[in-house]
Amino acid sequence: AQTVTQSQPEMSVQEAETVTLSCTYDTSESNYYLFWYKQPPSRQMILVIRQEAYKQQNATENRFSVNFQKAAKSFSLKISDSQLGDTAMYFCAFMLPSNSGYALNFGKGTSLLVTP
Amino acid sequence: DSGVTQTPKHLITATGQRVTLRCSPRSGDLSVYWYQQSLDQGLQFLIQYYNGEERAKGNILERFSAQQFPDLHSELNLSSLELGDSALYFCASSVSTGLPNEQFFGPGTRLTVL
Repeated sequence: AQTVTQSQPEMSVQEAETVTLSCTYDTSESNYYLFWYKQPPSRQMILVIRQEAYKQQNATENRFSVNFQKAAKSFSLKISDSQLGDTAMYFCAFMLPSNSGYALNFGKGTSLLVTP
Repeated sequence: DSGVTQTPKHLITATGQRVTLRCSPRSGDLSVYWYQQSLDQGLQFLIQYYNGEERAKGNILERFSAQQFPDLHSELNLSSLELGDSALYFCASSVSTGLPNEQFFGPGTRLTVL
């Protein structure tokens, strides 16, 4: 089974600063997908960014970008110009496509607090 | 708003009881996924249905079952409830099993077992 590890249970950053959340995963497969989901206090799960393992270029979505290191099995999320609304739990997730489905395998999450 | 609806929002029940959680996927989505989020287990995949058929199973207990109906809505049935079943249950949907496969999450059902 694939495991996803988020080693930072909690992080804090000041508004307008940059913060990086870490994620490592374990798999012997070569074709897979990685995701970062955000869960604000409302509990809604929101997709932040997605990375296909076959793509060497790191994904970027506005202020959110990833550093995907396939050999190191690392998938970190960088949030630039942090905003108060970025306060949330952030979950790293792994998906291994197969004929039997497309389940997301989540890490334990990192609680991010953005302070004024 | 993701377009995925879940009812009820909150459910309080007693140990040993049975409950049904309901999910309506986004219009046009054929796949439905169920996830459980608890303090000790984190977010866990339970089960996936695609166009009415079971597609994948995760860490779903034998006391739990699910189905997807012809109109594509899905129900998760939890029976012989235990205190440890208290959790937030999410339903997610996606267009198909094709890739890339973004899953859109509903707001969740908060289950409290007393």
